[in-house]
Amino acid sequence: KNQVEQSPQSLIILEGKNCTLQCNYTVSPFSNLRWYKQDTGRGPVSLTIMTFSENTKSNGRYTATLDADTKQSSLHITASQLSDSASYICVVSANNAGNMLTFGGGTRLMVKP
Amino acid sequence: DSGVTQTPKHLITATGQRVTLRCSPRSGDLSVYWYQQSLDQGLQFLIQYYNGEERAKGNILERFSAQQFPDLHSELNLSSLELGDSALYFCASSVTLTYNYGYTFGSGTRLTVV
Repeated sequence: KNQVEQSPQSLIILEGKNCTLQCNYTVSPFSNLRWYKQDTGRGPVSLTIMTFSENTKSNGRYTATLDADTKQSSLHITASQLSDSASYICVVSANNAGNMLTFGGGTRLMVKP
Repeated sequence: DSGVTQTPKHLITATGQRVTLRCSPRSGDLSVYWYQQSLDQGLQFLIQYYNGEERAKGNILERFSAQQFPDLHSELNLSSLELGDSALYFCASSVTLTYNYGYTFGSGTRLTVV
């Protein structure tokens, strides 16, 4: 069964600090992995998308890594800002006929001043 | 603005009623996907349409149905509503049948069943 597990479930950090969110998946065959940011009550917004051959991808202060061998990904946020407070969702796409997405449960990040 | 338009933004209705949620995909996108997100829960895939045809089904209840019209907008119909149907309903659209290119979410419709 395809699964995506994210940790931690929630995280509180001080403004200006760095943090790393984790995503482990068992989706097979793997097609791509995306990280989304979802502000409360809003639709998810794509941060990064990585395919099998990509190890790292950055989008401003957000850097995602992918280890396809261990089926792990991380999202590193540098110099956090109050506006980073949101849920971060890891989504993995399977490379099959249905090409279905499997969503992680998300990490709820709160950045405090 | 993501280009995916959902209406209404908020909806309050009573148990047993029926509602229709609307989604207009980004210009040029042929696929529309519907998701349900209950309070503090992850996104649950409901159904996908591509160019007017149903292409994939997830955890969609029999009380729920959807369709995609010739102009590519989609409607999600929820009937015999229960308190547990209260949730955010998102649609997303993409250019192709698959998720690999330009997958974009709308801002959602918040449904409250009282």
